[in-house]
Amino acid sequence: KAGVTQTPRYLIKTRGQQVTLSCSPISGHRSVSWYQQTPGQGLQFLFEYFSETQRNKGNFPGRFSGRQFSNSRSEMNVSTLELGDSALYLCASSLEGRGPTGELFFGEGSRLTVL
Amino acid sequence: AQKVTQAQTEISVVEKEDVTLDCVYETRDTTYYLFWYKQPPSGELVFLIRRNSFDEQNEISGRYSWNFQKSTSSFNFTITASQVVDSAVYFCAPVYDTGNQFYFGTGTSLTVIP
Repeated sequence: KAGVTQTPRYLIKTRGQQVTLSCSPISGHRSVSWYQQTPGQGLQFLFEYFSETQRNKGNFPGRFSGRQFSNSRSEMNVSTLELGDSALYLCASSLEGRGPTGELFFGEGSRLTVL
Repeated sequence: AQKVTQAQTEISVVEKEDVTLDCVYETRDTTYYLFWYKQPPSGELVFLIRRNSFDEQNEISGRYSWNFQKSTSSFNFTITASQVVDSAVYFCAPVYDTGNQFYFGTGTSLTVIP
């Protein structure tokens, strides 16, 4: 069974640009969550999508957005990039996303560097 | 506010030593779930264990064991007879019944020296 796939794995952007990251969940999983990991802030929750609807959102500015498609694939977008957006962005999928059944399966992440 | 603390930032042990990673969480919820994840250098977080707040039984899985003490809000993780392959960053992550969000601790970086 294929795992969670994230593309691209590495990318470099400059300040002010925008970026789109993609995540393909495990087949059959309907919940996709996104996390940002930085050395200073650790792993922080961005948002969670379930059946194409954003169900939960972390404390990030509106420059961070996402969406989920009918096949459960998800994308996240960051506009007007800042140096502080340099991070490893991790996508995780689960069957339903709730705590009792909510074991998360993570991808290897997309490492974004903003220059 | 929901919070989780992993006080140990970095730990180094010699191979075959036992090591315990601490996790303390804060919550007013009566129902919650506790997870441990391992992050090897490749970056992908790997699920280790899930425990719900009503089950305080300790659990052992091979060389891994977990001690859940609700009275002290702790969910500690012990690796027995550590191996070099155990070198990774380990995260404790509670999930509270009021939401779907995982609250990850800052992680403990474990280095096992051969």
